[in-house]
Amino acid sequence: QQQVKQSPQSLIVQKGGISIINCAYENTAFDYFPWYQQFPGKGPALLIAIRPDVSEKKEGRFTISFNKSAKQFSLHIMDSQPGDSATYFCAASKHGGSQGNLIFGKGTKLSVKP
Amino acid sequence: DAGVIQSPRHEVTEMGQEVTLRCKPISGHDYLFWYRQTMMRGLELLIYFNNNVPIDDSGMPEDRFSAKMPNASFSTLKIQPSEPRDSAVYFCASSTWGSGAYNEQFFGPGTRLTVL
Repeated sequence: QQQVKQSPQSLIVQKGGISIINCAYENTAFDYFPWYQQFPGKGPALLIAIRPDVSEKKEGRFTISFNKSAKQFSLHIMDSQPGDSATYFCAASKHGGSQGNLIFGKGTKLSVKP
Repeated sequence: DAGVIQSPRHEVTEMGQEVTLRCKPISGHDYLFWYRQTMMRGLELLIYFNNNVPIDDSGMPEDRFSAKMPNASFSTLKIQPSEPRDSAVYFCASSTWGSGAYNEQFFGPGTRLTVL
């Protein structure tokens, strides 16, 4: 059972454009929704995260939008840069994320063309 | 801090051989996670420990896989016997409540395992 569904699988965006990656979850007990960024040959690293008590979280060019009723959340990358080219994973968890099962989406490979 | 340390970084072995992957978590972290990453299945949690005690091993694919954490600074993931379908990148991650800005799990660089 895939508890976190992520789309698209791959995304090509021109430099300066907006990258949007979407995720949907099933378990209403999830209370922590992080996004991880992974460069080739490296482990994933936390990019930004949100809890369901807010609808939006912004850090620099990265924004998470959260829709609790629809059980969906998305990552927006504004002014996308070639250095943003990486694989992005959404995830969901209970218990604030530091413990327990962090369920990952399948990932989105983002390529930002110069 | 050096971050999460994993060894070896690459492992090539023959089918049927025993494979041992090693992890040193960040000092002071009391949670340790083992993940497996493949193109087909993405990132899967295999097992996690809290204070050296296994809490959830429901992701361990079968009895050929075992994990131990004899102390707070060391963990192993063992596959015996190994099979070609075990080929993947294995990540170790560690965390503690309040780590980073969002109770972050810090991942190691991974071990790329190839079973011939």
